[in-house]
Amino acid sequence: NAGVTQTPKFQVLKTGQSMTLQCAQDMNHEYMSWYRQDPGMGLRLIHYSVGAGITDQGEVPNGYNVSRSTTEDFPLRLLSAAPSQTSVYFCASRARDVAGPYNEQFFGPGTRLTVL
Amino acid sequence: GQSLEQPSEVTAVEGAIVQINCTYQTSGFYGLSWYQQHDGGAPTFLSYNALDGLEETGRFSSFLSRSDSYGYLLLQELQMKDSASYFCAVVGNYGQNFVFGPGTRLSVLP
Repeated sequence: NAGVTQTPKFQVLKTGQSMTLQCAQDMNHEYMSWYRQDPGMGLRLIHYSVGAGITDQGEVPNGYNVSRSTTEDFPLRLLSAAPSQTSVYFCASRARDVAGPYNEQFFGPGTRLTVL
Repeated sequence: GQSLEQPSEVTAVEGAIVQINCTYQTSGFYGLSWYQQHDGGAPTFLSYNALDGLEETGRFSSFLSRSDSYGYLLLQELQMKDSASYFCAVVGNYGQNFVFGPGTRLSVLP
C-alpha cells in the first residue's frame, strides 16, 4: 500500500495563476480532507469529503475548490493564487467510523506551495 | 465555533514524564485525537478518546474529561526522538471533521 500520496511536493506560483494539487489514497477510505498548515501553526481544514460525489466546506474554504469523482482521488484546485495561500497543504484520509472509537487519519507527505 | 488551547512549548529531559494539556470549546463534540509531527514531516496519529478516562498505548497515554472540556497527552520515558510538535484535535460533526489545536512543541534534552 502506498497510503496517501500527494503531488507535487513543491510548487511556486505567481499571483493569479491556477493549479490543482493532487491527492490519492489506496486504502479504500471513504473520508478525505484537505488541510493547510502555516508556519508554527496547527492544521486548518479547507474542504472535506465523506464519499464519492459528496464534499463540504471546512474552516477556510475561500479560494479553493474540490471534487470527489472517485473514492481514491480528491484534488484541490486553487482558482487564482494569492500570496496568502503560501502554505503547506496536507491531504488526509480515514475509514468511515460508524460504531467504533477508532478515528485515525492518515496524512500524505504534503505539498509546499509558494505564491509570489 | 470551535477553539482549542495548548501550551506553545514544553521542555523535558530524557527519561522524564511530560504532560501536554488541551482545553477546548466546541459546538459539537465527538472525541479528542492527538497527533505527532516532526519538523518537515506529516502528522501521525497517536491516540483517540471518545469517552472519559485514560487510554494507554505503550509509552503514550491520553486522557479525556468531557465535563471539563479538557484532555491531556502523557509521554513517559521520554526519548530524543519524541522531540516534535503535538496537536490535539476535536472530532466534531458526527465524526466528519476535525479542528486542530495550535500545537505544542516538545524539546527533549539529553
